[in-house]
Amino acid sequence: GAVVSQHPSRVICKSGTSVKIECRSLDFQATTMFWYRQFPKQSLMLMATSNEGSKATYEQGVEKDKFLINHASLTLSTLTVTSAHPEDSSFYICSARETEAFFGQGTRLTVV
Amino acid sequence: GEDVEQSLFLSVREGDSSVINCTYTDSSSTYLYWYKQEPGAGLQLLTYIFSNMDMKQDQRLTVLLNKKDKHLSLRIADTQTGDSAIYFCAEDATGFQKLVFGTGTRLLVSP
Repeated sequence: GAVVSQHPSRVICKSGTSVKIECRSLDFQATTMFWYRQFPKQSLMLMATSNEGSKATYEQGVEKDKFLINHASLTLSTLTVTSAHPEDSSFYICSARETEAFFGQGTRLTVV
Repeated sequence: GEDVEQSLFLSVREGDSSVINCTYTDSSSTYLYWYKQEPGAGLQLLTYIFSNMDMKQDQRLTVLLNKKDKHLSLRIADTQTGDSAIYFCAEDATGFQKLVFGTGTRLLVSP
């Protein structure tokens, strides 16, 4: 099946710094990718829809200036957590859709 | 509105069948999915069913869909300890491509 690769799988950063997470569709082109956040023992919460060549669509309550999304090509979307704080620590997962939706391996972000 | 619910926990013995249930509210969903998540990992697509089907079987997995009751189930035959994980059902929010996830069911398989 189609593969979605997410990098890095784990990152630890200092409070106030920015972190970039990459999401790649490896064997198909994805005009739309999705970024989710998952808190411990909870379900996935959609943060934003990344659209190739245009602005991302953010869900209500998600700060677009804090979570910058860039979808510059048909196989790559990036999520940058700017000025990270400890409350941004979470598991971030991207998804891309061919027919069915495939997910990346997730990124565990820890802000210290 | 969109709301997908699952029971939180299921415990079975190795070799038994497991049935994980899910209820959803968006009757216009096109696809309904089952994903598996192991600790610290992303989501693995297990199977999905089109909304015009009522059953789909894939090796040890059987998905049943009752559109009238908006009820979806995943049956795992001959459950193994490696099946221990969290299972999420998800519905396709029509027209938006995004998925709405259930709360997740933690399956524990004991030897």
